[in-house]
Amino acid sequence: GAGVSQSPSNKVTEKGKDVELRCDPISGHTALYWYRQSLGQGLEFLIYFQGNSAPDKSGLPSDRFSAERTGGSVSTLTIQRTQQEDSAVYLCASSFLLAVQETQYFGPGTRLLVL
Amino acid sequence: DQQVKQNSPSLSVQEGRISILNCDYTNSMFDYFLWYKKYPAEGPTFLISISSIKDKNEDGRFTVFLNKSAKHLSLHIVPSQPGDSAVYFCAARSGGGADGLTFGKGTHLIIQP
Repeated sequence: GAGVSQSPSNKVTEKGKDVELRCDPISGHTALYWYRQSLGQGLEFLIYFQGNSAPDKSGLPSDRFSAERTGGSVSTLTIQRTQQEDSAVYLCASSFLLAVQETQYFGPGTRLLVL
Repeated sequence: DQQVKQNSPSLSVQEGRISILNCDYTNSMFDYFLWYKKYPAEGPTFLISISSIKDKNEDGRFTVFLNKSAKHLSLHIVPSQPGDSAVYFCAARSGGGADGLTFGKGTHLIIQP
């Protein structure tokens, strides 16, 4: 079956512009997660969704970041007024349930470069 | 402050030998641990996990060991194969499950023929 897909795969933007990243989770997965991997770093957890709800947004790096999920499926991560430090690979993952032992399946990521 | 540490950025092992990747953690609330494998330009792929109530979990060539008192876990791959060359991430999660995974910075494993 289809795995987690993300688009675009690569995005180059100018500082100050807004960008929107999209994630299509595995069909039937109720939990969805966004992570970021900056150069030379591990994956940094940003936000999770249980259904359409994101109860805790404290992991988002700044108020320029927002995320939404509609219909319990597709999610978008929006970065407003991008800065050079936002350059990173943004990874989305999904799991069947929101539970400790549920395996998270990752998409290939969106490589964002802010010039 | 990094809560999950992988102190070896890279590791080179001969094909057929055992690869041992190490991971240390500081947060005593972590009770579930995972290893992910990542090839270039791909997302991480789940490899193996272990609950804090166990000290060992085995799956084929992969075994994960957990030493709770030392807050240390390790991944053993035996025998190592060329396709095992990848970046390996250690990750941890606390009981609530809602905080996402906390990852280490990864260890680049290179299997030499």
